[in-house]
Amino acid sequence: IAGITQAPTSQILAAGRRMTLRCTQDMRHNAMYWYRQDLGLGLRLIHYSNTAGTTGKGEVPDGYSVSRANTDDFPLTLASAVPSQTSVYFCASSDGNGRGTDTQYFGPGTRLTVL
Amino acid sequence: GQNIDQPTEMTATEGAIVQINCTYQTSGFNGLFWYQQHAGEAPTFLSYNVLDGLEEKGRFSSFLSRSKGYSYLLLKELQMKDSASYLCAVKDSNYQLIWGAGTKLIIKP
Repeated sequence: IAGITQAPTSQILAAGRRMTLRCTQDMRHNAMYWYRQDLGLGLRLIHYSNTAGTTGKGEVPDGYSVSRANTDDFPLTLASAVPSQTSVYFCASSDGNGRGTDTQYFGPGTRLTVL
Repeated sequence: GQNIDQPTEMTATEGAIVQINCTYQTSGFNGLFWYQQHAGEAPTFLSYNVLDGLEEKGRFSSFLSRSKGYSYLLLKELQMKDSASYLCAVKDSNYQLIWGAGTKLIIKP
């Protein structure tokens, strides 16, 4: 069982380019999340999905979009990348619907640099 | 605003005990989580507290006081592999996790 996979592992991107970060989980978890992690700051939620077909905005959604066409996949798209989006991006999933005590499990992350 | 405070860095000796504190101010409370994150890796779940008191899990214990907005993670019999960042996170009234910046723990022989 792979758990959560993310691709690519790392990427250098020119400003203004479009980029999709991929996230796939094989645990049949209902809820999925995208975070960014920047030095000196806590993880910040970008977007989330409590179940397939639904998405919601987190703390820092501007410049990002997501879709949840099925249970397993939760891609994150940067429509037109800017240098401030340079960060490490983590995808996570949890067994519940995002409420209650369900624990989030994280993918290995994507390190994105926007020049 | 919502806020989670943890010390930025702590140093401890192999075999010793260390306590990492976390204070929080959030809109609502639906549980507190501790995660471990080794450099360059993903966070991994350590513990969850929703009621006041101490939860023990092997060498790691986590304590919560909701009235004080306070938690700590206690690591006993420290090993070199415990060198990592420890992240405190609170689930708020919207069931979203609010994360602290993490405490980098350095273990010395």
